Amino acid sequence: AQKVTQAQTEISVVEKEDVTLDCVYETRDTTYYLFWYKQPPSGELVFLIRRNSFDEQNEISGRYSWNFQKSTSSFNFTITASQVVDSAVYFCALSDGDSSNTGKLIFGQGTTLQVKP
Amino acid sequence: GAGVSQSPRYKVAKRGQDVALRCDPISGHVSLFWYQQALGQGPEFLTYFQNEAQLDKSGLPSDRFFAERPEGSVSTLKIQRTQQEDSAVYLCASSLATVHSPGNTIYFGEGSWLTVV
Repeated sequence: AQKVTQAQTEISVVEKEDVTLDCVYETRDTTYYLFWYKQPPSGELVFLIRRNSFDEQNEISGRYSWNFQKSTSSFNFTITASQVVDSAVYFCALSDGDSSNTGKLIFGQGTTLQVKP
Repeated sequence: GAGVSQSPRYKVAKRGQDVALRCDPISGHVSLFWYQQALGQGPEFLTYFQNEAQLDKSGLPSDRFFAERPEGSVSTLKIQRTQQEDSAVYLCASSLATVHSPGNTIYFGEGSWLTVV
């Protein structure tokens, strides 16, 4: 069965702190894709990153980095030197063989990040 | 516009009223998705179109929900005889990919916030 778990419901940090958002997924497929989206108060889901199951290289984009570990079925997201503008709800999502006919996404429950000045 | 556009942004409906939510996907995008996002939850898949064909409607919660995309571009999600449990944000998303292209980036609109009173 497909499932995405974001165990952290809410995280609060002070500006400039580093913060890691956890994501654990379940799938029976060997080919799958993982995503992170950011949802600011405006409601739009903003695409951050896509990784496929064959590429376990960690990725860094500015202050953002992602750690993909197949051994633990995790795809964690770290924000370095957090800023107030990072405050949002962050969603991890999965697309796998069960959804590959459409590419539909299975989302986690989301983690609300609050960055205080 | 450059992104996925949805209207209305906010809709208050009386219980039993019919509503129609519109989505303008990114120009040229073949795939179109509708998701439902309840308060404090992650988005959940409703239905998928490839051009004008509705290839997956497995997520529609009841036969009161109906979606169409007659010319393969603009889509409408219609909810008949609205109930309070239909209150949610309805997100439209589009992707350049066709069917059997898992993992392609899906771009979301800001959503239509429906409140049924």
